[in-house]
Amino acid sequence: EAQVTQNPRYLITVTGKKLTVTCSQNMNHEYMSWYRQDPGLGLRQIYYSMNVEVTDKGDVPEGYKVSRKEKRNFPLILESPSPNQTSLYFCASSPSVNNEQFFGPGTRLTVL
Amino acid sequence: GENVEQHPSTLSVQEGDSAVIKCTYSDSASNYFPWYKQELGKRPQLIIDIRSNVGEKKDQRIAVTLNKTAKHFSLHITETQPEDSAVYFCAASGTDRGSTLGRLYFGRGTQLTVWP
Repeated sequence: EAQVTQNPRYLITVTGKKLTVTCSQNMNHEYMSWYRQDPGLGLRQIYYSMNVEVTDKGDVPEGYKVSRKEKRNFPLILESPSPNQTSLYFCASSPSVNNEQFFGPGTRLTVL
Repeated sequence: GENVEQHPSTLSVQEGDSAVIKCTYSDSASNYFPWYKQELGKRPQLIIDIRSNVGEKKDQRIAVTLNKTAKHFSLHITETQPEDSAVYFCAASGTDRGSTLGRLYFGRGTQLTVWP
């Protein structure tokens, strides 16, 4: 089944404790992206990758890191999480730029 | 960069009526405009998209219109049904290889409620 998976789906952590949210797609898509969704603010792009080893900042990259060492995986890393990073995070993939994006199920993160 | 504004933020209609959601964008070079639907507790899913070389696109009860001169695009849903109730997001995609290519800018969303 073609899909985008994220893990974990829910996470409660404390300020400063490094964490990684994994994202994987099995559709051989070149383009992958991370978004955060906050009430009243819609979806905001954190980082995106147009191909392996190529990553770029989106609208809100501060406090986040990503890597794209292989086509299928695009992990989101929070080196030192803070409470303002409490949010719902979505990973998405697409065959190419300017094409339908397929979203993962989301990761709800709470930073205390 | 691009700025996408979406109106209204909430919209209530009676079943069978039409619903219209409007978005404006700032970057005249944007050339891809998708619409996503997000049901409560679910992930966003594409419902329709349009590219800048087309003025209108229809898919059954859903249509999108694009006015490049005025830099706005709209989602039209006819014969609304309760299952159309969701949050709808418009988006615009950058085209500037130097800074915005690959970036997708979303509006803040419209909560559509369709009453039986």
